[in-house]
Parts: sequence; structure tokens; C-alpha cells
Amino acid sequence: QKEVEQDPGPLSVPEGAIVSLNCTYSNSAFQYFMWYRQYSRKGPELLMYTYSSGNKEDGRFTAQVDKSSKYISLFIRDSQPSDSATYLCAMSSIKAAGNKLTFGGGTRVLVKP
Amino acid sequence: EADIYQTPRYLVIGTGKKITLECSQTMGHDKMYWYQQDPGMELHLIHYSYGVNSTEKGDLSSESTVSRIRTEHFPLTLESARPSHTSQYLCASSEWRTPETQYFGPGTRLLVL
Repeated sequence: QKEVEQDPGPLSVPEGAIVSLNCTYSNSAFQYFMWYRQYSRKGPELLMYTYSSGNKEDGRFTAQVDKSSKYISLFIRDSQPSDSATYLCAMSSIKAAGNKLTFGGGTRVLVKP
Repeated sequence: EADIYQTPRYLVIGTGKKITLECSQTMGHDKMYWYQQDPGMELHLIHYSYGVNSTEKGDLSSESTVSRIRTEHFPLTLESARPSHTSQYLCASSEWRTPETQYFGPGTRLLVL
């Protein structure tokens, strides 16, 4: 079983809709939770970073962490066609060798005009 | 926007050739990383470095080697390329204080024939 599970999608939504993404994980030592956006043939771009549990908002993006359920979410409000990309969740713990990030496989999102 | 560069962006090469993938960052980050990503799959850490003259192997076994002679430069070398090395290679860096927030380069897509 993978440490981090993420639905590969694709997730297709109309422009203006809310995009809801999530990841589940099994390692209770994870304390840092990140969301990356990756456009085709590009490197991942850091979107959101959250330490421990709770919510964090940045513009149209909201990240939620529920450590008790080992579940994290990313919401994108007022989605735009430019939000079409693959979204990767990533996690880390203080003790991770090399500060390794453990990634989910990514969810492909398509926002249709 | 992160200032981390990778060259070449695309490389097609024959079996048995020696190749070096270049990675440079201008942010003064101490920590640097190499990840391997196959299409639709997770990123896997293959090498990392805490600073000059520091190199460590990551989770995924790799026949590649790395060096860190200068802070800004972290090249990856394959002495004898094989078709099994075909993949995307992503370089990343982070500050010492916030190693979990890693910034990625655009990647090198390698095809070994």
C-alpha cells in the first residue's frame, strides 16, 4: 500500500466551479503538507504549505489538513481554464531522511470554458 | 518564481553513452534534490545534498551519481545510459530552515534508445 493515495482523475469541471482535491495518507509522522501544481512538461510549482492540522487560505486556494483522519484537501474557488493542470499532494516529517517529500500520484484537473 | 534551471530540457541518446544533467539555482539554497518521475506516477527521490561536498542516495535506487562542488550547482551523471533510464528528472532546492518547501526546476526529459 502506498503511503500517500491520490485519485488520478481526470477531474473535469466547468469554469467558475469549485475544484475539490484530496489525499489520504498512512504515516502518522507526517507534519508538513504541501500542494503542488504541475503543468504539462513543466516542473511542480509549490501552491500551498501547511504545518500540522487546520486550514490555510491563499486567494482562491484553501488547504485543509485533518490529521485525525489522515486526510488533506485542496479547494480551488472560481476555477479558471488556466487552473487545468495536475495537482500533487506532498508530505514530510521532521525525521524524514534528507527532508524527503512523499508525493501522491497527482490528480489531473481540466477546467472547461 | 523560483530561480532553478535545468539543462538540457530534452535529451535523446543511445545506449551506453555517458550523460550529465545540469541543475543550477540562484537562490543560495543549501539543500538540493534530484527526483525521478515517470508519466502519471509519483516523484521519487534519487539523490539529495545538504550542502557543498554532501551527497546522499534517496529512496529510489538509481545508477546515477551526483556531485556538489558549488552551492548553486548539482549535476547528475549517468556513466552508461540504458533504456531503463528513460524518465523525467526533476531538480529541486530548499532553504535550510524550511526544507519541506522545495522549489523545482522545469525538468529534463530523457529518452535512451
